[in-house]
Amino acid sequence: GQNIDQPTEMTATEGAIVQINCTYQTSGFNGLFWYQQHAGEAPTFLSYNVLDGLEEKGRFSSFLSRSKGYSYLLLKELQMKDSASYLCAVLDSNYQLIWGAGTKLIIKP
Amino acid sequence: GAVVSQHPSWVICKSGTSVKIECRSLDFQATTMFWYRQFPKQSLMLMATSNEGSKATYEQGVEKDKFLINHASLTLSTLTVTSAHPEDSSFYICSAREGDPLSSGMSYEQYFGPGTRLTVT
Repeated sequence: GQNIDQPTEMTATEGAIVQINCTYQTSGFNGLFWYQQHAGEAPTFLSYNVLDGLEEKGRFSSFLSRSKGYSYLLLKELQMKDSASYLCAVLDSNYQLIWGAGTKLIIKP
Repeated sequence: GAVVSQHPSWVICKSGTSVKIECRSLDFQATTMFWYRQFPKQSLMLMATSNEGSKATYEQGVEKDKFLINHASLTLSTLTVTSAHPEDSSFYICSAREGDPLSSGMSYEQYFGPGTRLTVT
């Protein structure tokens, strides 16, 4: 079967750095997405990785290791507005998105 | 660019009635649209995938006669919840993908609408 695992909830302090991990087992792989979702709102796109390595975009970076079936989202200089759920999703061999359950990130002052 | 709208943003209806939700891609042509449902504190659950001009493909466990999907044009897809019941109360989100991922130079990104909160009383 297809499976994506990420922690249910994480807590971090404003100004700090946090890493949200995602492991996956899917039928085929055509890339991995990270989305941010605030409560009551639709997801918004953060990053897309299809090759191994680190992609940096401002305060957010995303890393992928296809051989390990592993990705992480790194958030630096945390701000209160970063409190949200972070969703990991893998594009499988049929180009369908397989979603993780999401990681709720709580930022404390 | 890549804006997707949904209407209505929220709706309250009585049990047994039908509700139609519209999803529009405003500045691109969406060959494929996806409908998701999300219950509180849970992740997105894909309900169905629709391609313009053809019948929607429903995920296992989703009743196609209850959740009617019509993708009549490259910019509009509708989801009709028929004979709604309180257990259908949820956050319904559509997303749209431009073009065919099997074509070269494609973006696989799905652009999400803002969602529709349905409450059935």
